[in-house]
Amino acid sequence: EVQLVQSGGGLVRPGGPLRLSCAASGFSVSSKTMNWVRQAPGKGLEWVSSIVQSSSDIYYADSVRGRFTISRDNAKNSLLLQMNSLRADDTAVYYCASGWAGGFDYWGQGTLVTVSS
Amino acid sequence: QSVLTQPPSASGTPGQRVTISCSGSSSNIGRNYVYWYQQLPGTAPKLLIYGNDQRPSGVPDRFSGSKSGTSASLAISGLRSEDEAHYYCAAWDDSLSVYVFGTGTKVTVL
Repeated sequence: EVQLVQSGGGLVRPGGPLRLSCAASGFSVSSKTMNWVRQAPGKGLEWVSSIVQSSSDIYYADSVRGRFTISRDNAKNSLLLQMNSLRADDTAVYYCASGWAGGFDYWGQGTLVTVSS
Repeated sequence: QSVLTQPPSASGTPGQRVTISCSGSSSNIGRNYVYWYQQLPGTAPKLLIYGNDQRPSGVPDRFSGSKSGTSASLAISGLRSEDEAHYYCAAWDDSLSVYVFGTGTKVTVL
C-alpha cells in the first residue's frame, strides 16, 4: 500500500528555518516525481516545488525560490523541504504528493507550519 | 494569484448535474493536460481527473472531465451529499515554468 507520512511542521519565528519530511512507503521516492503543495488558512491550493524523477530538474514557485530547497533522501526513502527565511505568509498546511503526468496521485496527511513571533 | 479561474461556488440538489469551469490560457490549459482535485473538509486533496478526462481507479464515473481550447470543465452527475467539497483544476504553465492550481470551487449539495 502506498503511503506518505509527513513530519516536521510547527511554530517558527519570522526569518527562521524549518525542515519538512515526507516518508514514503510502497514505492521508491527516486522512482517518481515528488511535489510540495501548501494551503494557507482558509485559502486555496498553491504549488510550491517539484523534483523530477531523475532529480536533475527542480522547479519552484516564485514565492519560495531562493528560500526553499526540495530534495530526496533515498536512504530514508523520504522527500524533504528545507525552508529558510520564513515569512508570515508562508504560514500554511504543507502537503507532499507524488506523481506528475498522471496527476498528483498520492498525498501526505499535511503538516501545519506557523510563522509567528 | 492563480492564472486558472474557477467560479467560487456551485450548487445543486441530489441527483442533479453540476458543471465547474476552469479558464486558463494558451500557455497552460491550451498546451498541457488538465487535472482536477477534490478536497473534502479537513482532508488532503484527492486526484479526480488526470490527462483532461481520465479517471483514476476508484473514482466514480459520475465525475467526468473535458477540455476545449484554453478552458476545461468538470461535471458531476447524479450529485450526492458526499460530493460537497472544494474542487480545484490544475495544469503546468509553460511560460512561467510553474504548476498552477485554479482558484477553487466550493460545491454545495442543497
